[in-house]
Amino acid sequence: DIVMTQSPDSLAVSLGERATINCKSSQSVLYNSKNKYYLGWYQQKPGQPPKLLIYWASTRASGVPDRFSGSGSGTDFTLTISGLQAEDVAVYYCQQYFNAPWTFGQGTKVEIK
Amino acid sequence: EVKLLESGGGLVQPGGSLRLSCAASGFTFSNYAMSWVRQAPGKGLEWVSSISLSGGSTYYADSVKGRFTISRDSPKSALYLQLNTLRAEDTALYYCAKGGWGDAFDVWGQGTMVTVSS
Repeated sequence: DIVMTQSPDSLAVSLGERATINCKSSQSVLYNSKNKYYLGWYQQKPGQPPKLLIYWASTRASGVPDRFSGSGSGTDFTLTISGLQAEDVAVYYCQQYFNAPWTFGQGTKVEIK
Repeated sequence: EVKLLESGGGLVQPGGSLRLSCAASGFTFSNYAMSWVRQAPGKGLEWVSSISLSGGSTYYADSVKGRFTISRDSPKSALYLQLNTLRAEDTALYYCAKGGWGDAFDVWGQGTMVTVSS
C-alpha cells in the first residue's frame, strides 16, 4: 500500500499570509505514459464533506480560487494557500489515486493565527 | 447539478448488518467509477471500497474485506454498500464519492452515519 504522510499536522497562519502543507508518498504516484501524478488535495470544513481542490498534483478543480495551488514531483508534493482567508479554515488532505487502496494522508488542520 | 445522496445509516448492534445506498444525479453514472469513504468521529478520511464503471471490478480496504460488499445499479444511478458483521470500529460517517480507478474523487455526498453499539 502507498502511505501518504502530511506535514505539519496543524498550522496557524495570519490572514493574508501563506500557508504551506506538505505531502509525501511512500512510492511514486507518477503514471509515466501519461506523465501525470495521481495526487489530489481535498479541503474539509467543519460539518461538511470533503471538497476536491487539486488533481493531477497541480490542476485546480472547477471553481477553486487561484490562491490555492499544488506543486511537486517525485514523491513530494505541496499545497500552497497564497493569502489565507477566513473561509480557508479547514482540514486539508492529500490522496493518491494511482493504486488501490486509494490512500489519504492523515490531514493538516489550518487555523487563523 | 451533480449530486450524490446517501441513505441507510443508523444504529446497529455489533455483528449486525446495514445496507447503504447512494443516489446519483446530474451526470452519466455508468461512465464513472464510484467509491465509499468513511470518517470516524473526530478522525481522518479512510477509503473503504471502489467499484469500476462496469461493476466488474471491486476493491476493498483490508479492514472491511470479507465483510462489506460494494455494488452498483447503473440504470438506477445507484451505488450500494452492504455492511455485514459490523464492529464498533466501523462507526463512522460513510461518504459516497465519484472517482477511483485513476480519477480523483471529485463529487461527494453529505454522508450517512453508521453507529455500531450495543
